[in-house]
Amino acid sequence: GENVEQHPSTLSVQEGDSAVIKCTYSDSASNYFPWYKQELGKGPQLIIDIRSNVGEKKDQRIAVTLNKTAKHFSLHITETQPEDSAVYFCAAVKGFQKLVFGTGTRLLVSP
Amino acid sequence: DSGVTQTPKHLITATGQRVTLRCSPRSGDLSVYWYQQSLDQGLQFLIQYYNGEERAKGNILERFSAQQFPDLHSELNLSSLELGDSALYFCASSPQTALNTEAFFGQGTRLTVV
Repeated sequence: GENVEQHPSTLSVQEGDSAVIKCTYSDSASNYFPWYKQELGKGPQLIIDIRSNVGEKKDQRIAVTLNKTAKHFSLHITETQPEDSAVYFCAAVKGFQKLVFGTGTRLLVSP
Repeated sequence: DSGVTQTPKHLITATGQRVTLRCSPRSGDLSVYWYQQSLDQGLQFLIQYYNGEERAKGNILERFSAQQFPDLHSELNLSSLELGDSALYFCASSPQTALNTEAFFGQGTRLTVV
């Protein structure tokens, strides 16, 4: 089955810096790649996603890139703010199957 | 607000007991997923339902069971509870159409087994 690896497990940046989180997946048939942000005590919140027919997608300060050949995708956050501090999860989905999550990245943005 | 409602938010119970967690999906979503998240751990897939039918099963213990009802709400039943079952349990829902496979999570039920 699908396996998703996520790096780094923790990431500390200064406010205003950029942050990059990387994920790799194993099943080349996966075609949907969402990213979730989870704040303490809350459920995961969908922040951006990308489908396999697109190489890049942006939404204000966040962007996701997908390299299907290498089977990896990345989340880019620019101009980070303290409120970006949270745990971020990537996931891969094949067709109508379950979301397979990465292990999460704890992002800490220091003022 | 994701539109997915989970009740109760918190549950404290003793070992050996049985509990039921409830999930109401977003309006129109046919698919429901259940995930378990232990302390500082990732999201472990338990089970998925689509329009009342079980679609996929993960590493769900035999002591756990779930169902999706005709009104599309879902319940996760946990029995013979052990201390290690203490975790956050999340429900997510998705339309699961060819054009829309986005999944949205509820706020979770925090289960504490004492």
